[in-house]
Amino acid sequence: DVKVTQSSRYLVKRTGEKVFLECVQDMDHENMFWYRQDPGLGLRLIYFSYDVKMKEKGDIPEGYSVSREKKERFSLILESASTNQTSMYLCASSPLSGGSTEAFFGQGTRLTVV
Amino acid sequence: AQKITQTQPGMFVQEKEAVTLDCTYDTSDQSYGLFWYKQPSSGEMIFLIYQGSYDEQNATEGRYSLNFQKARKSANLVISASQLGDSAMYFCAMRTPDYYNTDKLIFGTGTRLQVFP
Repeated sequence: DVKVTQSSRYLVKRTGEKVFLECVQDMDHENMFWYRQDPGLGLRLIYFSYDVKMKEKGDIPEGYSVSREKKERFSLILESASTNQTSMYLCASSPLSGGSTEAFFGQGTRLTVV
Repeated sequence: AQKITQTQPGMFVQEKEAVTLDCTYDTSDQSYGLFWYKQPSSGEMIFLIYQGSYDEQNATEGRYSLNFQKARKSANLVISASQLGDSAMYFCAMRTPDYYNTDKLIFGTGTRLQVFP
């Protein structure tokens, strides 16, 4: 059974903390994505990566960074968490030339910054 | 700019009736793919259906069909014979080639569908 696994389902952090959200996939996919989901705004792309150590900014990269040291792992980093980063974070992966192959999602991490 | 627009924040449908969820997209690429996902209250993203830009036939998957009108840049999802379990958020998404020939995947704002008995 193919899987994308996010390290935490729920997370509570304090303002100013450095936060790491981890995502691991077991499908040998080249592409990995981080989205945040907010009511009324849908899924907004933060960053994506198409290869190890390669990353591209999405639509809302401010306040975030990413790391991809291994093909199967893609980390989202909040350098100094703020309350406006309270959200649901979704990780996804897909093959490089996806064609009709859908992206697979993790279960999501609901982050609350207090 | 590439964009997905879903103009219906919420929709209601009676059980066993059909419902259409709207999606329009904007891209200058000739090659792209369109997806629909379902997100129940539990939060997981469930893939429903795919349509490629070069596909001439509308995609169908069981009770789901995609009404693809390329000239109008629309990719509406049609759910036939709605069931109570269809109550969920529905997202339209588009995959387009990026500068590095990767596949950027962008989503719309979603439509919350509620099916009532």
